Amino acid sequence: DTAVSQTPKYLVTQMGNDKSIKCEQNLGHDTMYWYKQDSKKFLKIMFSYNNKELIINETVPNRFSPKSPDKAHLNLHINSLELGDSAVYFCASSRGTGRTTDTQYFGPGTRLTVL
Amino acid sequence: TQLLEQSPQFLSIQEGENLTVYCNSSSVFSSLQWYRQEPGEGPVLLVTVVTGGEVKKLKRLTFQFGDARKDSSLHITAAQPGDTGLYLCAGDRGNYGQNFVFGPGTRLSVLP
Repeated sequence: DTAVSQTPKYLVTQMGNDKSIKCEQNLGHDTMYWYKQDSKKFLKIMFSYNNKELIINETVPNRFSPKSPDKAHLNLHINSLELGDSAVYFCASSRGTGRTTDTQYFGPGTRLTVL
Repeated sequence: TQLLEQSPQFLSIQEGENLTVYCNSSSVFSSLQWYRQEPGEGPVLLVTVVTGGEVKKLKRLTFQFGDARKDSSLHITAAQPGDTGLYLCAGDRGNYGQNFVFGPGTRLSVLP
């Protein structure tokens, strides 16, 4: 009964490769997010989508491209991976009512290591 | 520029002790949330505070939002080993929907 799931859990790859991380939520939520947590545990929002429409796009290199095929899925594709991309990437979802009190539910994270 | 600061960064205490962690900013937020994150897992929401001066209690945890909605505190009474984790505060900058900025976290270790 996983609410927000991510695949893969771990991803080890070489610099310069292209990789994707998948996220799915079964909560019926309208809004989904991608966050990056660096080695110092600093969690930073990257993107958010509401009903497949991009609503937040923080200062993220354009090598990162989110794709939302439907409102239950938000995938993250990363081109030309760099050493600094190594981090844990979290997907999250919320009801998307627009209220500040909406609860965000986080996935278990994907640990990306770029060698 | 980091909008949210948390203190202390690390805290190690004995079971049964009380503690307070702080979340401070020069910015005003429409709401502030506290999360606990355990190793290998995503953050889990503990509470959302919205009104300046608001106090919320969750069993042994007491959360307070500053009057000016720029800062918050989390007080734990009689800490238990199960309270061990990374505590993150997050302020909502959004005008529509949610756009949270997270603090760097306080890593709490409660020793039996």
